[in-house]
Amino acid sequence: DAGITQSPRHKVTETGTPVTLRCHQTENHRYMYWYRQDPGHGLRLIHYSYGVKDTDKGEVSDGYSVSRSKTEDFLLTLESATSSQTSVYFCAISDQQGAGANVLTFGAGSRLTVL
Amino acid sequence: DAKTTQPTSMDCAEGRAANLPCNHSTISGNEYVYWYRQIHSQGPQYIIHGLKNNETNEMASLIITEDRKSSTLILPHATLRDTAVYYCIVSRTNTGNQFYFGTGTSLTVIP
Repeated sequence: DAGITQSPRHKVTETGTPVTLRCHQTENHRYMYWYRQDPGHGLRLIHYSYGVKDTDKGEVSDGYSVSRSKTEDFLLTLESATSSQTSVYFCAISDQQGAGANVLTFGAGSRLTVL
Repeated sequence: DAKTTQPTSMDCAEGRAANLPCNHSTISGNEYVYWYRQIHSQGPQYIIHGLKNNETNEMASLIITEDRKSSTLILPHATLRDTAVYYCIVSRTNTGNQFYFGTGTSLTVIP
């Protein structure tokens, strides 16, 4: 989607190696999110950020860390990748609209395979 | 945030209206209902949202029951390109929301 870029789009790595996925936005949105998607589980929230250096855990945060040193970038790090972290990872951004609604815009996804 | 219940899958004939239900019986007064869809392996796409009143935009209509415990997304004239997984989410209006998607409804539009 315009305004949100994920990199890399595809990555194959080995168990035990560190991996960092990057989400970059040009919309100046306050909120950024990382989801993973696996068959039978739908989309599950890993971590989210509500501002620079302000992050919080989602429902499946174990094994993942995040950092947001500037508004436009939200990094997801797997310190030591495991095969269970093979997944498609989606980044999303949002900003509060009128009357309190908060609409998400998603990136194209990053497919990670851990061998 | 309240959780939602949706049917796993549905079929709809091309050109007919597709009515996708969602139950959110534990919704609280300040939670919006959002609908997204995901076509194949693309990122989910926003469709529509509402708080209390029914809403309509160029993509769909959202009907929310008076007690707000359930809603229906209506695609008035389904096309083959509407084949996708549809997610119903409820979330608070305040900032810093956590949006939980679940597994959604897989809609297949049949020629």
